[in-house]
Amino acid sequence: EVQLVESGGGLVQPGGSLRLSCAASGFTFRTYWMNWVRQAPGKGLEWVANIKQDGSEKYYVDSVKGRFTISRDNAKNSLYLQMTSLRVEDTAVYYCARSFSSGWPFDHWGQGTLATVSS
Amino acid sequence: SYELTQPPSVSVSPGQTASITCSGGKLGAKYAYWYQQKPGQSPVLVIYQNNRRPSGIPERFSGSNSGNTATLTISGTQTTDEADYYCQAWDSDTVVFGGGTKLTVL
Repeated sequence: EVQLVESGGGLVQPGGSLRLSCAASGFTFRTYWMNWVRQAPGKGLEWVANIKQDGSEKYYVDSVKGRFTISRDNAKNSLYLQMTSLRVEDTAVYYCARSFSSGWPFDHWGQGTLATVSS
Repeated sequence: SYELTQPPSVSVSPGQTASITCSGGKLGAKYAYWYQQKPGQSPVLVIYQNNRRPSGIPERFSGSNSGNTATLTISGTQTTDEADYYCQAWDSDTVVFGGGTKLTVL
């Protein structure tokens, strides 16, 4: 069974940092693109970033460029999102989701982890 | 940047057909994907590559995509279909979601 389990969310002050993790199991992690998608409270889905199977390509939504870094460790079947210079508007549930490749659907999602940026 | 536009809400009576649209420039030249999200749950893929259903998704869910508009159609809508629905497309190697449509079944 495919499982994606996010962790690392919590409360942080504006300007602070947070590192999210996503532990994958039940599939060959190194063969999939991985994505982070967020959802602010009561709002819609917003794609944040993705990373190619070998980590050689990474893409970000404009609003997080220069502040967030996506990475992966295929040996540990894990995906990460390092978030720095956090803003109140970054408050959201962060989901990791897999896609077989660029252009493919997000066929499995994690349960999400809540990151709250507030003073 | 590429944008996808959905109506904020759609209402339908049980047993009737619901249609949710998603508009974007030359969207028909891309694949459209649709996700269902119920309160407190993670999104679930219901349509991929415009009109294909993942295993486990009921046949009443169908999709189309032409010109600038993709459409998710739910035939014989059930009360369990009440949820938020999001369209999605790839723009090169980045991803765009529509703003979401709240489907009310009443």
